[in-house]
Formats: sequence, C-alpha cells, structure tokens
Amino acid sequence: SQKIEQNSEALNIQEGKTATLTCNYTNYSPAYLQWYRQDPGRGPVFLLLIRENEKEKRKERLKVTFDTTLKQSLFHITASQPADSATYLCALVQASGTYKYIFGTGTRLKVLA
Amino acid sequence: GAGVSQSPRYKVTKRGQDVALRCDPISGHVSLYWYRQALGQGPEFLTYFNYEAQQDKSGLPNDRFSAERPEGSISTLTIQRTEQRDSAMYRCASSSQGPHTEAFFGQGTRLTVV
Repeated sequence: SQKIEQNSEALNIQEGKTATLTCNYTNYSPAYLQWYRQDPGRGPVFLLLIRENEKEKRKERLKVTFDTTLKQSLFHITASQPADSATYLCALVQASGTYKYIFGTGTRLKVLA
Repeated sequence: GAGVSQSPRYKVTKRGQDVALRCDPISGHVSLYWYRQALGQGPEFLTYFNYEAQQDKSGLPNDRFSAERPEGSISTLTIQRTEQRDSAMYRCASSSQGPHTEAFFGQGTRLTVV
C-alpha cells in the first residue's frame, strides 16, 4: 500500500541545536516533494520544494535533502529557535497520474529555550 | 484576493442536513484543492480542479460528497445528508500552475455535525 510516514512522536530539541525531521514514502514515485509548516489553528504554509533530480535545497536556516533510492526526505532546521516550534508536514506530488499534493501525518517540533 | 478565503469559518449542522462549503482561491490560480484534516493528522486529499475541470475526485469518501468549480474560480464542496463522522476541518488550497509551485491554504471550515 502507499504510505507517507513522518515521526509520529513529537520532537523536542534545545534552542540552538539542529532539528532533523524525516519523511519516508512507500510505493510512490514523486516528481516533487514539499515541506510545509503548520501552526495550531492555521493552514499549512509552504517552506521548500525539492525536485526528484535534486539532492539538496537550502533556504536560510532550512535544508531539505531528497534520496529517491532510500525513498526519504530529511528536513533540517539549523540554529533552531523557540519560534520554530510547529508541526512540519511533507507533501509529495507523483511523477505520473494526477498532480495532487499528498501529505504525510506531520511531526510536531518543540524547541526549548 | 490577498489569500485563499473559506466560508463559513465554523458550521454546526444537524445530522441529515446538507451543507455547502465555499472556497475563494487566490485570483488567477489555476489549481484548487480540497482537503479534510483531523486533529493531529496531515491534510487528507479529497478532490482537485484545474480551471473548471475536476481532475481527480478519488479522495471523496462517498457519493454524499461532491464539488464544483463552474467558472474556474470559486469552488463549493457539498456534503449531503451529513453524518457525525463528517465532522472535521475542511481546507481549501490553490496553486498558480500546478505541482511544481506551492499550495496556499485557507483558514479552513470547521464542520460539526450534531
């Protein structure tokens, strides 16, 4: 069956450390993988997009990697801050079929001051 | 408009009633998506449109759910004969050109069926 899995447990890290979130997928062939941030009571907000032929993408303190062999994307926040506390969602779009965004379950990150 | 607008923000309805949820996407956005999100879960795909054409409705749970986007702009998600299990946050998103661009989400409609 098709699955997108993210750490179901909340991730607590100390301020200043690097947070690493994982997105694993099964039985998908994504052309694009995106990461979103969601705060309580609000809709998801786009952060980064990475294509299937890209290994890594950076934006300020954020870095995304994409390994199509491992079927995994890693999302890193360096020098984390309490304001980074939120739920982070990965979403993929398949290379064939219809171009819908398919979301993972999300990982809740808490950065401790 | 400035962002994706959904109305109503909250809807309480009695079991068996029909409800219509509205989504007004960002002006000019080609693609419009409907999702349902349970607490603590990621958005679950329901259906999406390019312009006025419904491209994929594979996520609609059953035939009580339908959606339309007749003029390629505003969309309505209709749930007929609501049941308690339909209670959820319903989210709409739009994107300018498809999957290689970001999706912008609205604030959602919280539906409660009593």
